[in-house]
Amino acid sequence: EVQLVESGGGLVQPGGSLRLSCAASGFTFSNYAMNWVRQAPGKGLEYVSAINSNGATTYYENSVKGRFTISRDNSRNTLYLQMGSLRAEDMGIYYCASGCTSTSCSGFEYWGQGTLVTVSS
Amino acid sequence: EIVMTQSPATLSVSPGERATLSCRASQFISINLAWYQQKPGQAPRLLIYGASTRATGIPARFSGSGSGTEFTLTISSLQSEDFAVYYCQQYNKWPGTFGQGTKVEIK
Repeated sequence: EVQLVESGGGLVQPGGSLRLSCAASGFTFSNYAMNWVRQAPGKGLEYVSAINSNGATTYYENSVKGRFTISRDNSRNTLYLQMGSLRAEDMGIYYCASGCTSTSCSGFEYWGQGTLVTVSS
Repeated sequence: EIVMTQSPATLSVSPGERATLSCRASQFISINLAWYQQKPGQAPRLLIYGASTRATGIPARFSGSGSGTEFTLTISSLQSEDFAVYYCQQYNKWPGTFGQGTKVEIK
């Protein structure tokens, strides 16, 4: 059974930092690009960051460039998102999601349950 | 960046009726489009990929069509469990972008 389990969310003050993790199991993690998608309270899905299967290529949504860093450890089947200089507008549920390899994509078949990030003083 | 535009924002439908949701891409994306369903408090669930292929376990009342820049998700006969928010996503250009969502509510 495929599982993506996020952790690391919580309450942080504006300007603070958090490190999110996503532990993957049930599939060959190293074959898949991985993604972070967030959802602000009552809002839609927003693509935050992505990383290809070997970690060599990354993507960041404009508002998080220079503040967030995505990485992965294929030996531990784990995806990370280091978030810094956090702002109120970064608040929301952060999902990790996957479904695309380097050669094929069928949408994001796998989603975690999400981890909540709250930015408040 | 490819912008995905969904319409309408909200669709009011009676149970048993058909629902038709639209998604438009700002650039050509072939059939590299997925649809997701999200219920309150849950992660999104993949419904359709490749514009028209149902994901594993998705009922036949869900169908997708379109190519290029215009796409449609049709729910042939709405069941109570289908009232939710639906998102389209293009994955023609990495990493992919989402539409803003269509909420399907009970009329």
